[in-house]
This record gives sequence, C-alpha cells and structure tokens, in this order.
Amino acid sequence: KAGVTQTPRYLIKTRGQQVTLSCSPISGHRSVSWYQQTPGQGLQFLFEYFSETQRNKGNFPGRFSGRQFSNSRSEMNVSTLELGDSALYLCASTPQGLGEKLFFGSGTQLSVL
Amino acid sequence: AQSVTQLGSHVSVSEGALVLLRCNYSSSVPPYLFWYVQYPNQGLQLLLKYTTGATLVKGINGFEAEFKKSETSFHLTKPSAHMSDAAEYFCAVTFGNEKLTFGTGTRLTIIP
Repeated sequence: KAGVTQTPRYLIKTRGQQVTLSCSPISGHRSVSWYQQTPGQGLQFLFEYFSETQRNKGNFPGRFSGRQFSNSRSEMNVSTLELGDSALYLCASTPQGLGEKLFFGSGTQLSVL
Repeated sequence: AQSVTQLGSHVSVSEGALVLLRCNYSSSVPPYLFWYVQYPNQGLQLLLKYTTGATLVKGINGFEAEFKKSETSFHLTKPSAHMSDAAEYFCAVTFGNEKLTFGTGTRLTIIP
C-alpha cells in the first residue's frame, strides 16, 4: 500500500497570498487530520475530516480551512498568509479516527516571506 | 480539557544506556495515549499506544511505556540506547475520536 502523500513538499509564498496544500491518505482510510509544526509552538492540531465532514477542529483562526473529497483526499487552505504561518504542515490518515494509529505524510514546508 | 506535558526538551544519553523520556497527561476521563517519533525531514511514526487493558505497552524498536493512572504518567523507556534512536519524540493524548493533543517534544541525542 502506498503511504500518505503530501504535495507540494516545499512552498514559498508572500504575505497576503493564499495557499492550498494537498493530502492523499492511505487507500481505505476515511479519516484525515492536519497539523501545524513550528519550533516555537510544536505540533498543533488543525482539524480532522471524516467522510467529507469536518469532525474535529483545533484552535486556529478561520483563515485556516479544509475539505475532504469523496475519495478521502483532503486539501487545506490558508488565506491571507501571515509570516507566522511559516511551518511544516503534516497530514495523517487512519481508517476511522484519531484514537487509532496515525499514518503521517512527510509534510509540506511552507515559508511565508 | 486534555493536555500533555513532556519534561525535558532535550535529553542526552550514552550509547547502551537507559533511555527515559517523561510524559504526564491531564484528562478527566480515561485517555488514549501515544508515543510518536520523528526523524529529520520526515513525518511522525507511531512507536506505541495505550488504549485499555495491560498498562505496560511494548512498541517498536525496543521501546516500551507504562501507563500509571495514579501518577497520570506514560513515560517511554528503552533499556539500551542505540545511535539510530536519535530523533524527536512526541507524547500525545486523545479520547477516542476527539482532537489529538501533542506534547512539545523531546529531542533525544545519543552520545557515542
């Protein structure tokens, strides 16, 4: 089975722009969750999608949004980028939910200039 | 609200020595607890998890952790450190399908 695939691997944007990150889960996995990793804040939970519905949400502003498609692939969007949004964005998938083993992708490294 | 605290952002041990990484949690209901490892430029990989049942959990690469409810702890141990264990380790907590909360991480350095 292929692992969790995140694209692109690296991204450079400027303040005020928006960005869309993509995550393809392991085949058969219906839960996809997103995380922001920074040296200062560590790993923070953004949100989780299950069967195209957002099931859980972390404490991030509304500029951070996501969606999940019928094939379980997920996208995360950040609008009006700020310098502080520079981070490694990780997605993870599981068959059913967050109480199971998470399978992580390698992440998208976003730099906001 | 659930939370998890990892004591020590950096831990150094000699090769062959005991590895002990500390994790304490706070939750009002029985938690699910996890240890993940992250190697440079990679995503996270599950080492082990505790849901219910046996309190001593064995994971991959010789790691194990013991769930101690009275101490609200879930410390990670390995009897003999190997150079390949150098990485960052994260403790995490959730209740079933609730949001997942990670600790701030412990960077483990192995001294030859």
